[in-house]
Amino acid sequence: NAGVMQNPRHLVRRRGQEARLRCSPVKGHSHVYWYRQLPEEGLKFMVYLQKENIIDESGMPKERFSAEFPKEGPSILRIQQVVRGDSAAYFCASSPQGYGYGYTFGSGTRLTVV
Amino acid sequence: ELKVEQNPLFLSMQEGKNYTIYCNYSTTSDRLYWYRQDPGKSLESLFVLLSNGAVKQEGRLMASLDTKARLSTLHITAAVHDLSATYFCAVNSGNTPLVFGKGTRLSVIA
Repeated sequence: NAGVMQNPRHLVRRRGQEARLRCSPVKGHSHVYWYRQLPEEGLKFMVYLQKENIIDESGMPKERFSAEFPKEGPSILRIQQVVRGDSAAYFCASSPQGYGYGYTFGSGTRLTVV
Repeated sequence: ELKVEQNPLFLSMQEGKNYTIYCNYSTTSDRLYWYRQDPGKSLESLFVLLSNGAVKQEGRLMASLDTKARLSTLHITAAVHDLSATYFCAVNSGNTPLVFGKGTRLSVIA
């Protein structure tokens, strides 16, 4: 059981560049969630996806952020034109059913914008 | 909107002592989770509590849930250094994402 795999573990981007964060869910899980954790803060929900569908994006910033979970391949969280305030740890979780059921978290991607 | 509050946010305790972390939430819940996070690491699921009066124990940690008071507690018995970490509670209510508290950073000192 490989668990939730996130890569890269650490990502450094200059202001204005794009960041792409990848998440491969637990085998057999079709529900993926992205959370952001700022220093000294709890996790804030960003987006919930099922294969090829965005179910809930109520936590996503309106601009520069997008997410997808294609039929084949990992889920991608994309941040365009990064700013210093985007520096955070981004965690992905997956579950076999929807909302609140048995989340498994990945190890996170720590994004630093310089 | 579901809100989750934890207290204290920081806790320094001596080895061998007992203490309790509190988690309040604002609406009815379906599930309440406790997670542990070590610095720079991911979240490890400790407990899931489903119903009023639920109590679960693992080693020196015991979690309980009072749905009427919308309160969960995480009790630490005879703390040891290995328990130093940040502890989060998280709540799910209906078709909503899991909402996290800000976490309690626990430091166990000799």
